Amino acid sequence: SAVISQKPSRDICQRGTSLTIQCQVDSQVTMMFWYRQQPGQSLTLIATANQGSEATYESGFVIDKFPISRPNLTFSTLTVSNMSPEDSSIYLCSVDHGYEQYFGPGTRLTVT
Amino acid sequence: DQQVKQNSPSLSVQEGRISILNCDYTNSMFDYFLWYKKYPAEGPTFLISISSIKDKNEDGRFTVFLNKSAKHLSLHIVPSQPGDSAVYFCAASAIPSGTYKYIFGTGTRLKVLA
Repeated sequence: SAVISQKPSRDICQRGTSLTIQCQVDSQVTMMFWYRQQPGQSLTLIATANQGSEATYESGFVIDKFPISRPNLTFSTLTVSNMSPEDSSIYLCSVDHGYEQYFGPGTRLTVT
Repeated sequence: DQQVKQNSPSLSVQEGRISILNCDYTNSMFDYFLWYKKYPAEGPTFLISISSIKDKNEDGRFTVFLNKSAKHLSLHIVPSQPGDSAVYFCAASAIPSGTYKYIFGTGTRLKVLA
């Protein structure tokens, strides 16, 4: 399995600002995924990021709000833009390994 | 429309007994299923998977059963240990679609009592 790290682990941000979350993997992977887990809810896929191409966003998520970069096969960033309290969630990156997915530790974001 | 459902938000079990966590799905195209365990302040940890060509997969204390006709899967933990106390998520995907997109259930919080 891959070792995945995320930065920051948590942050408290003011509404209207933006936060960029970094995800680093210890091996090269084709696809990286970004999920959101709102309080008391399930994990929801935001987008899939392939290296060298635009990220593919799920219904309800748009690039202007959640821009993603994937500059190489071991790194990705997710930006949460123009934040509101509704964006308070745990944000998780994951990578595929065969048919399974492995997750990073998550970034706990609180928007005040 | 919740395609993957875990109808029990919580479960308490005595140490040493069996824990059974249930998961139902509605999409008949799902053919690969995963179970994850999540501790507070950590990301989900992959536990065990099962393909739709099987009805059972076992890994140590963890066994997953799949009933395709009922669109139901369950995770059995035997014997349960206090360290198993966590939130458990099931996830489903239609692998031949090539997208590797998983739909997650809402989770069941397991508490194993010493």
